[in-house]
Amino acid sequence: DAMVIQNPRYQVTQFGKPVTLSCSQTLNHNVMYWYQQKSSQAPKLLFHYYDKDFNNEADTPDNFQSRRPNTSFCFLDIRSPGLGDAAMYLCATSRPRVPGLAALDWEQFFGPGTRLTVL
Amino acid sequence: KNQVEQSPQSLIILEGKNCTLQCNYTVSPFSNLRWYKQDTGRGPVSLTIMTFSENTKSNGRYTATLDADTKQSSLHITASQLSDSASYICVVTPGGSARQLTFGSGTQLTVLP
Repeated sequence: DAMVIQNPRYQVTQFGKPVTLSCSQTLNHNVMYWYQQKSSQAPKLLFHYYDKDFNNEADTPDNFQSRRPNTSFCFLDIRSPGLGDAAMYLCATSRPRVPGLAALDWEQFFGPGTRLTVL
Repeated sequence: KNQVEQSPQSLIILEGKNCTLQCNYTVSPFSNLRWYKQDTGRGPVSLTIMTFSENTKSNGRYTATLDADTKQSSLHITASQLSDSASYICVVTPGGSARQLTFGSGTQLTVLP
């Protein structure tokens, strides 16, 4: 089945030790997003790729980087995780609701998330 | 600043009862509004999506309504089940730059037997 896959589902790292989270999609969507969601809060957009075009949110810390080597894969790199970076990280993809028309309604499909714990 | 506010923050109901969750937004221009269900430890799953011209949309026991004039939406759950226990998130897509979404903080629903 076409879907958004995130690996691993649970990641434990040590304070300051780099970590990489992975997202892959079989939907062939142009846009891929990374969100950070802390407990009882709404997801917060970190950045997104439109094809190879990288778009960083203004308040995303420099500690967070992303790579998209091809359409199917997108990685989130946290260079030096702090205790405050412990959260659920959600990957999403999107496409226009009506293919071929202007992208006024981009439906987003979310992966199951990776729960990051920082010790 | 575009905002989406949801109420109540949390809700506890008994199995079989109905409930209604509220969403108020200030996002303008507006493209569409979605309700997502997010189970604990999982990613959000779309329940309904409505454009500004739609007043209501149903998905099984879930019925969403939209009043674009007052910028209010509600999600009604009928005959609740234990599996309905989750966070319900209202998400608004701005018109124009529609790749980014504005999320509400969610309503945490607990259904008790």
